[in-house]
Amino acid sequence: QKEVEQNSGPLSVPEGAIASLNCTYSDRGSQSFFWYRQYSGKSPELIMSIYSNGDKEDGRFTAQLNKASQYVSLLIRDSQPSDSATYLCAVPEESGGYQKVTFGTGTKLQVIP
Amino acid sequence: DVKVTQSSRYLVKRTGEKVFLECVQDMDHENMFWYRQDPGLGLRLIYFSYDVKMKEKGDIPEGYSVSREKKERFSLILESASTNQTSMYLCASSLRGISTDTQYFGPGTRLTVL
Repeated sequence: QKEVEQNSGPLSVPEGAIASLNCTYSDRGSQSFFWYRQYSGKSPELIMSIYSNGDKEDGRFTAQLNKASQYVSLLIRDSQPSDSATYLCAVPEESGGYQKVTFGTGTKLQVIP
Repeated sequence: DVKVTQSSRYLVKRTGEKVFLECVQDMDHENMFWYRQDPGLGLRLIYFSYDVKMKEKGDIPEGYSVSREKKERFSLILESASTNQTSMYLCASSLRGISTDTQYFGPGTRLTVL
């Protein structure tokens, strides 16, 4: 069973600060990585995907990938209370001849006004 | 916009009952998935399907079965519900590539088995 690990948190940051969320994965063959956001009582929704080493920026969000160290991170700049949610890291993997996506257990982020 | 709908938001069943959870997507997606989500355990894959009448076991298929007779519909069946199947059940779909395409989730069904 391939693993995707995240610190469950909660991670508390003040409004306006940078929130840094981390994820490590065990499958060295993984080529793509996803970050989903899940508000309490709601279903997950995709916010970022990254396929290449380095940084990918989208508005206040930056995904960082380091395949050699097998970690992917999500930075949220100028954090807002509306960013308070659980962030799920998702990594596709090969299993039994098919691909499927393994989700981490998520990191709960609290942005304090 | 992609829309994934699930037949019920809340469901209460008794131990031993047969339970059907329905999921429908309206964007002609090839892939459909059933997950359950439990506190501290995250999202765990129960079954998935790449095509009509095609199904593959996920990580925790025991006690569940699925049916995909039409491309847009993927059903999860609990043959004989047990209390340890009390959970939030999430259906998802993706266009084509498992490793490249976004998964779109339905609103979830919170199932309680008494």
